[in-house]
Amino acid sequence: AQTVTQSQPEMSVQEAETVTLSCTYDTSESDYYLFWYKQPPSRQMILVIRQEAYKQQNATENRFSVNFQKAAKSFSLKISDSQLGDAAMYFCAYRRPRGSQGNLIFGKGTKLSVKP
Amino acid sequence: NAGVMQNPRHLVRRRGQEARLRCSPMKGHSHVYWYRQLPEEGLKFMVYLQKENIIDESGMPKERFSAEFPKEGPSILRIQQVVRGDSAAYFCASSPLQGGGELFFGEGSRLTVL
Repeated sequence: AQTVTQSQPEMSVQEAETVTLSCTYDTSESDYYLFWYKQPPSRQMILVIRQEAYKQQNATENRFSVNFQKAAKSFSLKISDSQLGDAAMYFCAYRRPRGSQGNLIFGKGTKLSVKP
Repeated sequence: NAGVMQNPRHLVRRRGQEARLRCSPMKGHSHVYWYRQLPEEGLKFMVYLQKENIIDESGMPKERFSAEFPKEGPSILRIQQVVRGDSAAYFCASSPLQGGGELFFGEGSRLTVL
């Protein structure tokens, strides 16, 4: 069974600085999808970024980028120029490929604080 | 294009009562997922449904919990004879695809059992 591990329960970053959140996963599949979701205090789950395993290029979305290491099964999220609004819980998630039945499997989350 | 709609946002029940949570997926989405989030924890998968079919209920407690996604109308998560341990946020998500793409989440329903 697939598992997702986030080893940092809490992280803190100074406003305008850069922070990296770690995520590792375990799967025997060769094709799959990885995601980072953000959950602010409002509790709405917001997609931050997605990565398709067959793509070697790391995904980027404005200030958010990932370091996808397929062989190491690692999928870290880098937030550049951190802003106060980035403070939230961040969840790494895995999903099996198209054509297969699969829900999202989440890690336990990392609580990110941003200091002004 | 409306997002995933969940209601009620907040529900208070006394022990032994029934709770019904509703979820309308995004337009064009035929796959619905229910997750439960306990305080200070991540989201735990409960059940995956397509119209009129339960595809995967491996995360559902064996007793008191049931889910449906009828041909017409929203998906419903039903909890019978609620206990205090059922207090949690329940999230619904939908997807147009069986696998692969991201899930789109509703704002959640917060159940409090007194």
